[in-house]
Amino acid sequence: ETGVTQTPRHLVMGMTNKKSLKCEQHLGHNAMYWYKQSAKKPLELMFVYNFKEQTENNSVPSRFSPECPNSSHLFLHLHTLQPEDSALYLCASSEGTPDSGANVLTFGAGSRLTVL
Amino acid sequence: GQNIDQPTEMTATEGAIVQINCTYQTSGFNGLFWYQQHAGEAPTFLSYNVLDGLEEKGRFSSFLSRSKGYSYLLLKELQMKDSASYLCAYMDSNYQLIWGAGTKLIIKP
Repeated sequence: ETGVTQTPRHLVMGMTNKKSLKCEQHLGHNAMYWYKQSAKKPLELMFVYNFKEQTENNSVPSRFSPECPNSSHLFLHLHTLQPEDSALYLCASSEGTPDSGANVLTFGAGSRLTVL
Repeated sequence: GQNIDQPTEMTATEGAIVQINCTYQTSGFNGLFWYQQHAGEAPTFLSYNVLDGLEEKGRFSSFLSRSKGYSYLLLKELQMKDSASYLCAYMDSNYQLIWGAGTKLIIKP
């Protein structure tokens, strides 16, 4: 058990659907992250929340909308996605703030998204 | 600019030693991380180096040379369960993590 739980583990959606990915951590961490992982590509940071405040948005298209209602929960709302958005979406949390040096990330197992 | 490189795939034999290299170019540096990711699972933290030298943790060791922009992960006494992808990432001057594409390690009996 990694301490970071993501649901659903697998999601198939059409381009006109609206769905949400959920991430939950009970590690007492104050920073949470969304990453996109595509095959044979580096992890792409999408969003960062620090104490529930969004501190990073890496030029992510507006069809991805994050929500962080509290420091334990993070959502990624999906709307009118494209087939190239198919990937593994990883959530992570960290005890330290994103601007600290030895900031170890604890990842969830990811949500495998397929856009038809 | 920011650039990081690691081999795409490596194969090794059970019981042997393997070294996975990671090279990077950056104008600002705040440490280098290694993570392990088994297929279908979460990446898990292995090591963090911010000073030059070798850090040993059981069968795994990580080395850093800041002047050469070079790190390696050394795995000894390989076991089948070590088959996984190994992700290298450095932290730049803005504390952003810059990730390599990962090295898939295949262990053969």
